[in-house]
Amino acid sequence: NAGVMQNPRHLVRRRGQEARLRCSPMKGHSHVYWYRQLPEEGLKFMVYLQKENIIDESGMPKERFSAEFPKEGPSILRIQQVVRGDSAAYFCASSRTAPMNTEAFFGQGTRLTVV
Amino acid sequence: QKEVEQNSGPLSVPEGAIASLNCTYSDRGSQSFFWYRQYSGKSPELIMFIYSNGDKEDGRFTAQLNKASQYVSLLIRDSQPSDSATYLCAVTAQKLVFGQGTRLTINP
Repeated sequence: NAGVMQNPRHLVRRRGQEARLRCSPMKGHSHVYWYRQLPEEGLKFMVYLQKENIIDESGMPKERFSAEFPKEGPSILRIQQVVRGDSAAYFCASSRTAPMNTEAFFGQGTRLTVV
Repeated sequence: QKEVEQNSGPLSVPEGAIASLNCTYSDRGSQSFFWYRQYSGKSPELIMFIYSNGDKEDGRFTAQLNKASQYVSLLIRDSQPSDSATYLCAVTAQKLVFGQGTRLTINP
């Protein structure tokens, strides 16, 4: 019974390139959340998605960032034209139902380094 | 005002003592409350969840919820060095929101 799977675990991109981060939720989970974490800081909410729908993207920067969770396949967090400030750990979590009264479990994260 | 607030610490507790971690939240509509543990360089791990007012015990861990005061806490009894980690409080209303975490160190 696989947990939340994120790949790649580590990603190095040059400034201006695109970064694609993937998240496969736990089996039976249809709700996905993305968070960004800087060293020594908490988890900053970015976006909450359900299959084929963005439910809440209030934490997403207005430019360069996008997320999707298609009917088939993993959820994708896409960062275009990366800058050094995008360097962080990006975590994905999934839950079986909507956030209320259900537990969310995390993947191992993707460490993005922009050089 | 932050949605979820925690004392960032660090909190230092001697081995075998009780560690007490606190969290307050601003949204009165919040319905679910979680404690995650995160070791350095690792992902958050769910250790406790509580939905109703009162106490919930699981082994050495007790979560306490007081919705009237908008307050949730985590007690760790018989603290062990392996409990040294950052503890994240999370709250859900429409989405899952985290506090900044409390760094806990258990001293042998």
